[in-house]
Amino acid sequence: QKEVEQDPGPLSVPEGAIVSLNCTYSNSAFQYFMWYRQYSRKGPELLMYTYSSGNKEDGRFTAQVDKSSKYISLFIRDSQPSDSATYLCAMSLAGGTSYGKLTFGQGTILTVHP
Amino acid sequence: NAGVTQTPKFRILKIGQSMTLQCTQDMNHNYMYWYRQDPGMGLKLIYYSVGAGITDKGEVPNGYNVSRSTTEDFPLRLELAAPSQTSVYFCASSYAEDTEAFFGQGTRLTVV
Repeated sequence: QKEVEQDPGPLSVPEGAIVSLNCTYSNSAFQYFMWYRQYSRKGPELLMYTYSSGNKEDGRFTAQVDKSSKYISLFIRDSQPSDSATYLCAMSLAGGTSYGKLTFGQGTILTVHP
Repeated sequence: NAGVTQTPKFRILKIGQSMTLQCTQDMNHNYMYWYRQDPGMGLKLIYYSVGAGITDKGEVPNGYNVSRSTTEDFPLRLELAAPSQTSVYFCASSYAEDTEAFFGQGTRLTVV
């Protein structure tokens, strides 16, 4: 079993749709949870990060963490063609030098059609 | 501000050849990382460094070596290239353990 599972998709939605991206994980020691966006042939860029359980909102993006279910989600409202990218969930242990030592999901390829 | 710069962008190697992937950052970050990304597999940590002179293994270090002689540079060395090392390699850096990691644009390596 992979430590972090993410549905690779691909996911195709019309412009304006609400997109839901999800990851499950098996290591209950993970404390930091992140979503990265990666455009084609580019490096990942941090989109959202949350610490432990709860919700975080930033514009059209909302990240949710449910540690009891070992499940994290990213919601994109009013999706735009510019949101078309691969979305990677990532997580890390707390403390020390662990933050940058990320465990990634496989990534979900999202296409938003005009 | 260039951020994290990786060279080369593309490279084709023959089996058994060696090469160094270069990574430099101009943000005065202490922490630097090397990841590899295979199709459908996410990114996996190869090596990391918490400062000049200090390096440690990540999840998939076999076949690679690193050094960190300066804060700015963190080269990744492949000594005997194998087809299994065909991948996209990303270098990243962060100021501290609890701050955002910034990624370079990647090096696409093919071993034939």
